[in-house]
This record gives sequence, structure tokens and C-alpha cells, in this order.
Amino acid sequence: ETGVTQTPRHLVMGMTNKKSLKCEQHLGHNAMYWYKQSAKKPLELMFVYSLEERVENNSVPSRFSPECPNSSHLFLHLHTLQPEDSALYLCASSQDRPTSSYNEQFFGPGTRLTVL
Amino acid sequence: EDQVTQSPEALRLQEGESSSLNCSYTVSGLRGLFWYRQDPGKGPEFLFTLYSAGEEKEKERLKATLTKKESFLHITAPKPEDSATYLCAVAGRTSYDKVIFGPGTSLSVIP
Repeated sequence: ETGVTQTPRHLVMGMTNKKSLKCEQHLGHNAMYWYKQSAKKPLELMFVYSLEERVENNSVPSRFSPECPNSSHLFLHLHTLQPEDSALYLCASSQDRPTSSYNEQFFGPGTRLTVL
Repeated sequence: EDQVTQSPEALRLQEGESSSLNCSYTVSGLRGLFWYRQDPGKGPEFLFTLYSAGEEKEKERLKATLTKKESFLHITAPKPEDSATYLCAVAGRTSYDKVIFGPGTSLSVIP
């Protein structure tokens, strides 16, 4: 595997379910990100991790819970979601966090989430 | 607050018809301006980083330029495979670890 991978690619869940999204980067980067992309809206940053430490939480509801066990893996745990949470969830990584140089981000293919 | 706008929202070009996409930004202390390409159902693909006014970068038919308020993505003699949404993003000193994305320009190149 190369680059940034995400699983699953598609997920349908009910409002009472608990599920997790997984992201893995094979680039040796130190920073990882979760973004939400809804139709007709710009990419919305959710969380930023740098060296496994959460450095940014962009006012995300607590029904989204990130986890970064090491610098290569990032999870997004989902529970009690709402239909308006349906979107494409993108994971990205960069060599360093945005406050440093060389911070261009490399994205995974995304998980298409549908909440019924 | 850092902001990014892009124009036009959508652009249709004939194959070979050159044009430019605009990214206007407001940021306190630019750390970097980024261009990405996104195909439908896929994650954005990194194209360029620009750091200071006057800087230019090229890749195949694409050329990105930067001023203190805008960036342009020039597309020379586009081909149908250049059809995609092009995203601009900025990282500013006062945004800390946030990268602010614009809404994108959807480009269609007609054979």
C-alpha cells in the first residue's frame, strides 16, 4: 500500500449505531487530519494530530471522537450521528503540522458516509 | 479571520482553449498557498505550494502564480482529462494548525 488509505470506502449507518473510520498513511508523515466534505461546501477541517497529539479540534460535536494511536494510524469513532452528518470524510497527512514548513497535505480516497 | 474565495464557480472550456482560475485570499501572514485537484468521488490530489508573492510553479499544462492577494492557476491548451474541481487553500500564521480551503472551481474540458 502506498500513500494514504481509508476504510471503509462506503458506510451506511443508523442514528443509534456506533462505527469507526480508519486511516493509514504510508508516507512517514508526522501530522494527520480529518476533514468533512459536504455537497456544495468547502472542505471543513475537523481534527489535526501532530506526533499523535491532538493540536486542533475545530468545534466538532462530541459524537465524533478521534483517536491517533501512532503517527501512521488515525481513527474517527462515530456514535449517535444525525442525517446531516452524511458526507465524504477525508483523511490527510503532511510531513509536519501547518505551523511548520513543507505542510502540503496528501489525502486518502475518503469514506462516503450515509446516516439514515 | 482567514478567508479563501474562488472564481468562477464553474468553467467550461473547449479542448485547447486556455484560461485561468482565480483564488483570492485574506490571511494574516501567509505560510503557504496550496492548489489541489479533486476528481469526483476521490480525495484531493496535491498540485502546488506557493510561499511568497511573485513565485510561480509549473506542472505539465498547469502554472500557478501568487500575488499578495490572489493566486491564479493558468491552464494552457487543456485536455478533457484536465476536467476536475480545483481547490485552493491557505495556511496563515494566525490560523495555527488550520488550513482554510476555498469552495473550488469545477472545470469541464469539452473535446
